[in-house]
Amino acid sequence: DIQMTQSPPSLSASVGDRVTITCRASQSISTYLNWYQQRPGRAPKLLIYAASVLQSGVPPRFSGSGSGTDFSLTISSLQPEDFATYYCQQGSDTPRTFGQGTKVEIK
Amino acid sequence: QAQLVQSGPEVKKPGASVTVSCRASGYNFDRYGINWLRQAPGQGPEWMGWLRIYNGDTNYAQKFQGRVSMTTDTSTNTAYMELRGLRSDDTAVYYCVRENRRHGSDFDSWGQGTLVTVSS
Repeated sequence: DIQMTQSPPSLSASVGDRVTITCRASQSISTYLNWYQQRPGRAPKLLIYAASVLQSGVPPRFSGSGSGTDFSLTISSLQPEDFATYYCQQGSDTPRTFGQGTKVEIK
Repeated sequence: QAQLVQSGPEVKKPGASVTVSCRASGYNFDRYGINWLRQAPGQGPEWMGWLRIYNGDTNYAQKFQGRVSMTTDTSTNTAYMELRGLRSDDTAVYYCVRENRRHGSDFDSWGQGTLVTVSS
């Protein structure tokens, strides 16, 4: 199975801050990497697919980059509605696997 | 737009079975796969398997082999997931998700989730 490791597990930031979350795959997955946002009590929501392609309707302050084993999600200017947990997921092979999540909290 | 609506919460005793349904609307049902995931309290999502709607093919995670079945009724645009031999660690929110295959696999539409509680 491909293991996905996110860092940090949590972070505190202020509205307007630039935030970066990283995700590492245990083997190369090309750009078959997706990012999701999950607010408390809600289902996850797709933000970015193919490592860097913004899902329709997602604000452009979200961006993704990387290929192979190392990836990142950046929020350029944190907004109040962005405080949530973020997950990476590999879509290269089955079983599909997720990172353990990064919780973004208000400082 | 695509919408997935799941059945309501369930409470089951250890050893029992549960079936969760997922009704799709707003898109051509048999053009996409349906995957099932679950999320235990405080944990990340866990993939259980996929179901190809157009031909009924399935691929289950090894962890659930022999305990899970994923089926579909194309006449009602509904997918089903049955999990047998329930244990307390099966307590989780279960999600059906639409799989988009535009670049590898991503999950672009999610059901609202179904809480399954396993308790004696």
